Amino acid sequence: QQQVKQSPQSLIVQKGGISIINCAYENTAFDYFPWYQQFPGKGPALLIAIRPDVSEKKEGRFTISFNKSAKQFSLHIMDSQPGDSATYFCAATFSSNTGKLIFGQGTTLQVKP
Amino acid sequence: KAGVTQTPRYLIKTRGQQVTLSCSPISGHRSVSWYQQTPGQGLQFLFEYFSETQRNKGNFPGRFSGRQFSNSRSEMNVSTLELGDSALYLCASSSHGRTEAFFGQGTRLTVV
Repeated sequence: QQQVKQSPQSLIVQKGGISIINCAYENTAFDYFPWYQQFPGKGPALLIAIRPDVSEKKEGRFTISFNKSAKQFSLHIMDSQPGDSATYFCAATFSSNTGKLIFGQGTTLQVKP
Repeated sequence: KAGVTQTPRYLIKTRGQQVTLSCSPISGHRSVSWYQQTPGQGLQFLFEYFSETQRNKGNFPGRFSGRQFSNSRSEMNVSTLELGDSALYLCASSSHGRTEAFFGQGTRLTVV
């Protein structure tokens, strides 16, 4: 019930293309869903987050789509750039206490120039 | 504002030894969480401390322990190290009432 499943494990996209990463969760009590970006040798950095009361949130080239009934959410990176090459993690938790994040397995994104 | 600081950045230990890792949260943040990151298991939650009290605990053996001090700095200890404990240990801090969690750069522990 605590799992978050993330796919694909790896993704190669051409520069300017759209990168899409999907996540599914089980616990319907989760109400905060952040995405983290991690570069080699660095800790994860918060990219964008969404709550289940909205179906979409956009920040620059990054968009989260949320489907509450399907218990799924996804990250779309528009106009992907080589600098976006990193590992992306989705997570789920409770907004009342985000000290315990349940992470997906991660997606390694490579954007080819 | 300084970010989350973890020390040391790298550690090499021998099987059976114990190790202590340190985390200084962002100033004003009272919640500190610890995660283990490995290629096979990904990012797994270890425990969370808030105001010197353990608030959440993950599914790790008792060899993994932690504590938090009155200044919110936190330490985690791993006793009787095993080869499988080799990982990147990450600390994250957050402010009470806020949802964003900020991670440090981690401590890379290698057990030989």
